Amino acid sequence: GQQVMQIPQYQHVQEGEDFTTYCNSSTTLSNIQWYKQRPGGHPVFLIQLVKSGEVKKQKRLTFQFGEAKKNSSLHITATQTTDVGTYFCAGQSRSNDYKLSFGAGTTVTVRA
Amino acid sequence: DVKVTQSSRYLVKRTGEKVFLECVQDMDHENMFWYRQDPGLGLRLIYFSYDVKMKEKGDIPEGYSVSREKKERFSLILESASTNQTSMYLCASSSLQGLGQILNTEAFFGQGTRLTVV
Repeated sequence: GQQVMQIPQYQHVQEGEDFTTYCNSSTTLSNIQWYKQRPGGHPVFLIQLVKSGEVKKQKRLTFQFGEAKKNSSLHITATQTTDVGTYFCAGQSRSNDYKLSFGAGTTVTVRA
Repeated sequence: DVKVTQSSRYLVKRTGEKVFLECVQDMDHENMFWYRQDPGLGLRLIYFSYDVKMKEKGDIPEGYSVSREKKERFSLILESASTNQTSMYLCASSSLQGLGQILNTEAFFGQGTRLTVV
């Protein structure tokens, strides 16, 4: 079945530095969504990518969908303490349109 | 303000008890999901439903069942609770988009129910 893998599991970042988290699927995806969960909170939608090679930006966050639609990345520049949390990707595949499967997440901590 | 409401924030149950977790959404969404979240394992899909009275198994359905009698309500049932079902349970809902291919729009999550089985 469809599996979405995320790396790294943990990311410890110095404030002001950049980092990237990656999401890889075993199957071709129809689209991919990214969510952020703050400590003690619930996941909140960030963005959805649909097209092959698509790149979208939200301020310091850059999201990319791979050409083959089997991987995605989230790059954060100039990390701030407000970026602390767990970032999840969620993929949907053609084989089961209604199923929304999440990766294990990347938990980000920031050193001030 | 859109809302997904889970009936309990914290729940403690005994091994062997039948447990009901309730979720209600007010957005008229077609799709509803139940996930459990455990450290290092992310969000794992238990069951989902794309319509009233319809249900589909997720990745870890064993030990669980669901009920969707009304569009706004999706219940997760633990027929006989076990200690390995101690976890955070998250309900989510989304609507559908697209013409040639139906996809989920963004999912909205409830606050979660932390279930402890003793």
